[in-house]
Parts: sequence; structure tokens; C-alpha cells
Amino acid sequence: AQSVAQPEDQVNVAEGNPLTVKCTYSVSGNPYLFWYVQYPNRGLQFLLKYITGDNLVKGSYGFEAEFNKSQTSFHLKKPSALVSDSALYFCAVSSTSGTYKYIFGTGTRLKVLA
Amino acid sequence: EAGVTQFPSHSVIEKGQTVTLRCDPISGHDNLYWYRRVMGKEIKFLLHFVKESKQDESGMPNNRFLAERTGGTYSTLKVQPAELEDSGVYFCASSHPGPGDEKLFFGSGTQLSVL
Repeated sequence: AQSVAQPEDQVNVAEGNPLTVKCTYSVSGNPYLFWYVQYPNRGLQFLLKYITGDNLVKGSYGFEAEFNKSQTSFHLKKPSALVSDSALYFCAVSSTSGTYKYIFGTGTRLKVLA
Repeated sequence: EAGVTQFPSHSVIEKGQTVTLRCDPISGHDNLYWYRRVMGKEIKFLLHFVKESKQDESGMPNNRFLAERTGGTYSTLKVQPAELEDSGVYFCASSHPGPGDEKLFFGSGTQLSVL
């Protein structure tokens, strides 16, 4: 069965510092990996995805994520955090086998402190 | 393009009552998904439509939940009768046809509170 783990409920980082939000996954078949962000009272917004190719994927708002097959991880990163990055972040996985439903993690609240 | 629209944004009902949630996907999106998030937990898959057909409804909790997608356009999710554990945020998402690597477009969700 597919699963996603986001081990941190909350991540605090000072503005201007690099940030990392962790995600590990389990799937059968090749994974399709996604990051979404949710701002208050809004729906989830797509940030980036990994399908194939380069392990480092760049997305919206300066975010990037690194796919690591051996560690089954897809951590979200940003070199310099902004206060406006404060939001709820969800990792999701789909795969080349199965019914293509997307499985989401529990979410990580990112708090960027000024 | 217009986004995914969900109605209502909030619903407060008493245990035993019926509630119907509606989702209007982006025009042309064959895939429509329903998800639910209970406070602090994962966004849990409920079901997946491809056009008007249920592709996967393995996440539906029980037979108190009924989802329909009339003519492959908008979708409704009815809960009858509602129980306390049905409270949460119900999200609808849609996407273009594809092999599972498409990004999802989400609505703002319906916050359901069952008292």
C-alpha cells in the first residue's frame, strides 16, 4: 500500500535561513511525488512534482525538492526562508501502479520567524 | 480559468441530519477527487471519478456516504445520516486526464461540523 510520512508537525526557522521540510514515502512501482502548500482559508496549491529525471526539482516561490530513491525521501527545501512562506505543507505520492489515487501526508506547519 | 469551486464553505449540522456537499471542477478536467482531513491528520482519499464513473471508491468510510457526478461535470457528496466522526474538512480536487502524474487543483474545502 502507498503511504507518506511527514515526521514533523511543525518546523520553525528564522527568516533568511534555509529551510527543510521532510517527507518519506512507500509505494509499489515508480513514484510520482508532489508538494502542495495550504494558506489559511485556501485550498491546497501545487508547488512542485517529481516524475522522472533530475533528482533536484525546482518549483514555485523558490522552493525545490530532492528525490532520494535509496532513502525513499522527497524533502522540500528553500535556501532563504521568507515570513510569507509560513503555511501548511503537504507531501503526496502517486505511482505507476495501482489506481493513481494520490496519498497525502499529515502536513507540516512551517513557521518563519522575522 | 475558473478554479475548483466548493459549496458550502462551512456547514454545521446535528447528528442524524443529512448534508450534501457540492464540487464544481475546472472545465475539461475528467478526474475528480474527494478527500477529507480530520484535524491534525492526513488528507485522506475518499474516492476518484473519471468523468461520471467511479474509478476508485476504496476510501469511502461506509454506506452513509454517497458520491455522484452527474454527466461528468459537478459532483456531490452526501452524508446521511451524519455522525460526529464525520466532522472535518472535505476537499475536492480535479485534474486533466493522465497516468497519475498530473497536478491536482483543489477547492477551498467545506468545513463540516457535526454536533
